[in-house]
Amino acid sequence: EVQLLQSGGGLVQPGGSLRLSCAISGFTSANYATSWVRQAPGKGLEWVSGISSSGDDKYYADSVQGRFTISRDNSKKTVSLQMDSLRAEDTAVYYCARAPWDVWGQGTLVTVSS
Amino acid sequence: IQLTQSPSSLSASVGDRVTVTCRASQAISNSLAWYQQKPGKAPRLLITAASSLQTGVPSRFSGSGAGTDFTLIITSLQPEDFATYFCQQLHDYPLSFGGGTKVEIK
Repeated sequence: EVQLLQSGGGLVQPGGSLRLSCAISGFTSANYATSWVRQAPGKGLEWVSGISSSGDDKYYADSVQGRFTISRDNSKKTVSLQMDSLRAEDTAVYYCARAPWDVWGQGTLVTVSS
Repeated sequence: IQLTQSPSSLSASVGDRVTVTCRASQAISNSLAWYQQKPGKAPRLLITAASSLQTGVPSRFSGSGAGTDFTLIITSLQPEDFATYFCQQLHDYPLSFGGGTKVEIK
């Protein structure tokens, strides 16, 4: 079955760090670019970061540039999002999704609060 | 690239025709996708390249447009269609989504 299984997330204090993982199954990881999208409670969707299929190209939203780092390990079929210097406004459900955006992870909640 | 969706919400009845529009702040060719999202669930891809229906999506959904103006139409609204709909531009990074249109039961 083609799926993305997310892990990580949880409660973290402002200024803290968290790492999200997206495990790929049912398809070849190296064939697809992958992105992270988030959704704050009761709000719309916000694209956060994307990485090319090879991992050579990485892209970030202005709101997370310099704080978040996306990476991938195609041998382990995982895509990760390292989130540092977290702020209250980073609180959201985070989704990973493969381009062409037809397969999404189940979502994981990140709460930044003291 | 900013995407402006309208309306932000609408009330409709089963069987109604529903139209949602998405306007881009600059031309994006046909690099636009539409999604449906239900509470607590990940978005579901409906349409790619502005007008290409994703496999498995009912034919009552259709998309059109190019450049800056795009439309999602649902003909004969069904009970399972009550949800929030988002457009997304895939023309250039940073990628962006519209603000969403919530389709509610009248």
